[in-house]
Amino acid sequence: EPEVTQTPSHQVTQMGQEVILRCVPISNHLYFYWYRQILGQKVEFLVSFYNNEISEKSEIFDDQFSVERPDGSNFTLKIRSTKLEDSAMYFCASRKGVGQPQHFGDGTRLSIL
Amino acid sequence: AQKVTQAQTEISVVEKEDVTLDCVYETRDTTYYLFWYKQPPSGELVFLIRRNSFDEQNEISGRYSWNFQKSTSSFNFTITASQVVDSAVYFCALSEAGGGSEKLVFGKGTKLTVNP
Repeated sequence: EPEVTQTPSHQVTQMGQEVILRCVPISNHLYFYWYRQILGQKVEFLVSFYNNEISEKSEIFDDQFSVERPDGSNFTLKIRSTKLEDSAMYFCASRKGVGQPQHFGDGTRLSIL
Repeated sequence: AQKVTQAQTEISVVEKEDVTLDCVYETRDTTYYLFWYKQPPSGELVFLIRRNSFDEQNEISGRYSWNFQKSTSSFNFTITASQVVDSAVYFCALSEAGGGSEKLVFGKGTKLTVNP
């Protein structure tokens, strides 16, 4: 069964450094998302992406964040200058069409030191 | 605005007991979707079920069943004859279909522990 793939599984970065989280959505899916989950808390929406542009973003998704779909398969989340509070699990998700469920990758655990 | 409330933070049962996880939602949209996801200790999010707002039929899948009631804005999840492998955090989620991104809004989750 096709699945969403995220790399790396764990990223450790010094505060202030840039980090890029990578995702390969399911190949015939059209809608892409990033969510984050701070340890022990609920899953929070960051950004959605459709037709090569951001369709919606949350208040969390400030100027330090950006997303890109550089080619036909990858979907990346960049944090320009990481802060301690960016430490969380970041999930990528994709869905095929309207009303369809989002399928999640296994997540990238980001630890900021 | 969308909101999902899972009032039960943690539930602990003994194997073979039935358990119901509650979910109450708020939305102004007439067309919306409800979901349940499972997050086992390994951390991934596993899709379990989707329901659209026009389909109030209850659904059963093996030991799992879901009760959707628009009148009470609830979408409850029952596990029959629970097993240790059911131990996980379960999230209820809502997305609105009104021409937006269909982002998921999650509840805070219910941690289910099934003891042998």
